[in-house]
Amino acid sequence: DQQVKQNSPSLSVQEGRISILNCDYTNSMFDYFLWYKKYPAEGPTFLISISSIKDKNEDGRFTVFLNKSAKHLSLHIVPSQPGDSAVYFCAASGDGETSYDKVIFGPGTSLSVIP
Amino acid sequence: DVKVTQSSRYLVKRTGEKVFLECVQDMDHENMFWYRQDPGLGLRLIYFSYDVKMKEKGDIPEGYSVSREKKERFSLILESASTNQTSMYLCATGPYQPQHFGDGTRLSIL
Repeated sequence: DQQVKQNSPSLSVQEGRISILNCDYTNSMFDYFLWYKKYPAEGPTFLISISSIKDKNEDGRFTVFLNKSAKHLSLHIVPSQPGDSAVYFCAASGDGETSYDKVIFGPGTSLSVIP
Repeated sequence: DVKVTQSSRYLVKRTGEKVFLECVQDMDHENMFWYRQDPGLGLRLIYFSYDVKMKEKGDIPEGYSVSREKKERFSLILESASTNQTSMYLCATGPYQPQHFGDGTRLSIL
């Protein structure tokens, strides 16, 4: 059973509007969350992260929100640009069961930003 | 800029062959990771190494082994390749979590 879920396999957004990518997790021990972006034929690149002691982290056009009680996080991209079109992976670490910071990835959401 | 280099972008092998995937990083990070990416499943950790000659099994280590003889190099070995190991393989490094990935090796087992 997947511990990190991204229920929308794909999302289309108009250029200039807000993109909201959602992620849910099941393990309440997770204490650090990451978002990665992946273009075709390239490896993922780390985008932004958030610790469980925070509920928001912002980096330029990218903001991640964490709702621990709902076990839900979201990535907001404002304004969306065509270059943001990529697959976005949500990931979580700190499951409390492993001796190292194992990172568990969601299945990804493919974002298309339409010019 | 951190560079993670995987030896091959595309590789085609036959079932039963022993396959080596090589990864080199230039940032002197202790941690290195091997993942495989499959549609609908995201990235799944095969093996992780936190120091030279040290390794930990990830979520799907069966059919794989690894070697870390030097800090900058982390090799993934398919002992006897099978068709269900056809996948995209990604190497990563980072001070803690995987932060820098290689461009991946698309491996096909026929």
